[in-house]
Amino acid sequence: SQQGEEDPQALSIQEGENATMNCSYKTSINNLQWYRQNSGRGLVHLILIRSNEREKHSGRLRVTLDTSKKSSSLLITASRAADTASYFCATGDSGGYQKVTFGTGTKLQVIP
Amino acid sequence: GAGVSQSPSNKVTEKGKDVELRCDPISGHTALYWYRQRLGQGLEFLIYFQGNSAPDKSGLPSDRFSAERTGESVSTLTIQRTQQEDSAVYLCASSLGGGLRNTIYFGEGSWLTVV
Repeated sequence: SQQGEEDPQALSIQEGENATMNCSYKTSINNLQWYRQNSGRGLVHLILIRSNEREKHSGRLRVTLDTSKKSSSLLITASRAADTASYFCATGDSGGYQKVTFGTGTKLQVIP
Repeated sequence: GAGVSQSPSNKVTEKGKDVELRCDPISGHTALYWYRQRLGQGLEFLIYFQGNSAPDKSGLPSDRFSAERTGESVSTLTIQRTQQEDSAVYLCASSLGGGLRNTIYFGEGSWLTVV
């Protein structure tokens, strides 16, 4: 079963614009991570945010976490054509022994 | 190794045949995951190994699917009597410890086509 659900399912923007993707999850978490996937191959880690953090930045990436709403958002600023990919949030249960599940993903297209 | 290695990268098999997919995780990583991803869809959790603990098999879709892991090294995902709906990319991933405290590293996947 999948814990997280991303929206929108697909997003198309012009180069230079900002892209915002959202992730909602069902159960309490310790941490949440965002990953990127190019062309159906392996996922690559982008950023981790802990449950006691509300916002985190990494380069052009900004992630927020609202544990009361069980949601997270990923903002990519000043998008580039190379940002075209699918983006997934990863969540695990708050127990110590936890599998990791991924959301359904947002497919981002950045038009040059 | 330098990264998570999966083989074969592509496999075409006839319906009803058995297939084995191999995953070689990063050395020292105690956690190992298998996911399935159908074309254009999200990642579907299959199975999770963490150290010497009993694996979490809750995502295996049927008894045709099984997976083994030798200690904290290689894992094999076996699909028996393959069906066309098994066509997907099978992704293996590993991390230093379980859960989301650590980065999860993915292999490039094994594309399975059942004809």
